[in-house]
Amino acid sequence: DGGITQSPKYLFRKEGQNVTLSCEQNLNHDAMYWYRQDPGQGLRLIYYSQIVNDFQKGDIAEGYSVSREKKESFPLTVTSAQKNPTAFYLCASRGHTNEKLFFGSGTQLSVL
Amino acid sequence: KNQVEQSPQSLIILEGKNCTLQCNYTVSPFSNLRWYKQDTGRGPVSLTIMTFSENTKSNGRYTATLDADTKQSSLHITASQLSDSASYICVVTPTSGTYKYIFGTGTRLKVLA
Repeated sequence: DGGITQSPKYLFRKEGQNVTLSCEQNLNHDAMYWYRQDPGQGLRLIYYSQIVNDFQKGDIAEGYSVSREKKESFPLTVTSAQKNPTAFYLCASRGHTNEKLFFGSGTQLSVL
Repeated sequence: KNQVEQSPQSLIILEGKNCTLQCNYTVSPFSNLRWYKQDTGRGPVSLTIMTFSENTKSNGRYTATLDADTKQSSLHITASQLSDSASYICVVTPTSGTYKYIFGTGTRLKVLA
């Protein structure tokens, strides 16, 4: 998994509840990303951060929030405003050269 | 609109056989095109990368080709193994400088013994 750790592996959310997905990297990468993967669809960008204390909305940011207080960490919160949160969530990071993305092992979020 | 389309959507082959996966893209201009392998329930792992000026790149039994004129790429797998069963995703990086990657929907490959 290239030095990126996502937790938990499986997560269940009750209606109206906020849940937070953890993403930690020890690759000393500046850029980090959150993607959502649904069956039969390509990965869709939720949020990305190119540097500490800065992040930008991706294509499907509504109902999600992030923070980037440390270079190593980029947690994603799925809020109660996200009405269809069931999906596989992938965190990735990218170093300075060759633009290669390193992915974590993912978190499967389901709704109870 | 920048798009990446892959075919077939799924494929079943016998162990030891070869196969070729296709990727058509409309992203232009682009800096590079990557193929990733994603095992079920895991994150994708990079297999190959090609810049717009390259037309072939190999990684063991995996060979990727790129035709920038027709905006097509293919991933050829030689002498398939059971461990090749996975989804294969084509990813194109635009040169727009926003670090946004365009992902294909993937081809799900199943290798049978």
